[in-house]
Amino acid sequence: DVKVTQSSRYLVKRTGEKVFLECVQDMDHENMFWYRQDPGLGLRLIYFSYDVKMKEKGDIPEGYSVSREKKERFSLILESASTNQTSMYLCASKGQGRGWDTDTQYFGPGTRLTVL
Amino acid sequence: GNSVTQMEGPVTLSEEAFLTINCTYTATGYPSLFWYVQYPGEGLQLLLKATKADDKGSNKGFEATYRKETTSFHLEKGSVQVSDSAVYFCARGGSGNTGKLIFGQGTTLQVKP
Repeated sequence: DVKVTQSSRYLVKRTGEKVFLECVQDMDHENMFWYRQDPGLGLRLIYFSYDVKMKEKGDIPEGYSVSREKKERFSLILESASTNQTSMYLCASKGQGRGWDTDTQYFGPGTRLTVL
Repeated sequence: GNSVTQMEGPVTLSEEAFLTINCTYTATGYPSLFWYVQYPGEGLQLLLKATKADDKGSNKGFEATYRKETTSFHLEKGSVQVSDSAVYFCARGGSGNTGKLIFGQGTTLQVKP
């Protein structure tokens, strides 16, 4: 089974702090994704990465950056946290190509971040 | 544009009732279509998917058929259980080979005993 883990289930930070959210997958997937989930808005893509050291902006990248130094790990960074970044953050990974298994994104359990 | 639209929730049903959650999409071409489920306090899990027109995805008693003529992928279950209470997300594959998914806004299902 694919396993995607996230470093924290719950996190409370203060405005202006630098925040790191870590995601690790154990299936040697090339593609990794960071989403935020807000009520009534569904999931919105923040950033994704299709290879080590490669990254692309998603739909809402402002206020975030990412790092992918190793294939299995994809970090989301909030350089200066703000209250409007209070949300549930979900990481996902996916293999390469359009095959039956590689077409599917596998999600971690999520990190609920509160910025005070 | 490229989008996914789900019916508004919450949906409240009694146990053993029939469930339909509507999902329509816009896209160029024929993307893969997915239903994900999120149980309380957890991340998303793939429930079922279909990769081409007229395919039917099924899992745990849930079904959805890829209808290209109506650009729909409605989720159905004949008899829901309390344990089916969750948030359900419809999604379509993105364009190109990026592997991106485009999600609907989610539909909350509450099943009462």
